[in-house]
Amino acid sequence: DGGITQSPKYLFRKEGQNVTLSCEQNLNHDAMYWYRQDPGQGLRLIYYSQIVNDFQKGDIAEGYSVSREKKESFPLTVTSAQKNPTAFYLCASSSPPGQGNSPLHFGNGTRLTVT
Amino acid sequence: AQTVTQSQPEMSVQEAETVTLSCTYDTSESDYYLFWYKQPPSRQMILVIRQEAYKQQNATENRFSVNFQKAAKSFSLKISDSQLGDAAMYFCAYSLSRGGSEKLVFGKGTKLTVNP
Repeated sequence: DGGITQSPKYLFRKEGQNVTLSCEQNLNHDAMYWYRQDPGQGLRLIYYSQIVNDFQKGDIAEGYSVSREKKESFPLTVTSAQKNPTAFYLCASSSPPGQGNSPLHFGNGTRLTVT
Repeated sequence: AQTVTQSQPEMSVQEAETVTLSCTYDTSESDYYLFWYKQPPSRQMILVIRQEAYKQQNATENRFSVNFQKAAKSFSLKISDSQLGDAAMYFCAYSLSRGGSEKLVFGKGTKLTVNP
């Protein structure tokens, strides 16, 4: 079955360490996105990519980095510069990009806890 | 900037009854899309229903329907014959039609409890 796989489901890190969250999709979607979800908040866009080797900052990109070397993969690195990294992270994809009616397909998320 | 407001942090409904979740948004655009997403305890986001702003007819998907009032910038979700499986967080979202999904703006969500 086609879908989006995020791994791991739970991730624990010590403060000051960089950590990379994995996101893989086999839907042949061009566009991929990373969202952050905090309790009592909606989803906030971190980064998005519409094509391979290209990506743009979202609303809360500070302290995060991404790469898009392959169409299927869009890993997110949470750096030590992110002040409050503990959160639930959701990866999504859509196709084709550039059309507002293209609904997002989401992964199951990764819960990151930094202590 | 576009904003989406869900004024009801929590709602509850009896099984088999009907419940309406509220959503208002602020935009100066005339062409856009509106969505309702469901997030059950598994935390995977699932698209429930979507509405194109240029369509006057309200969207429906089985037991789910919307009341889209463009002038009032209101987009409420009605769930009929509520089922236990409808218990979830519900998020209203807005997207510019020319911007693609990267312009999706979410509300803070409404937690729906379904009582047996």
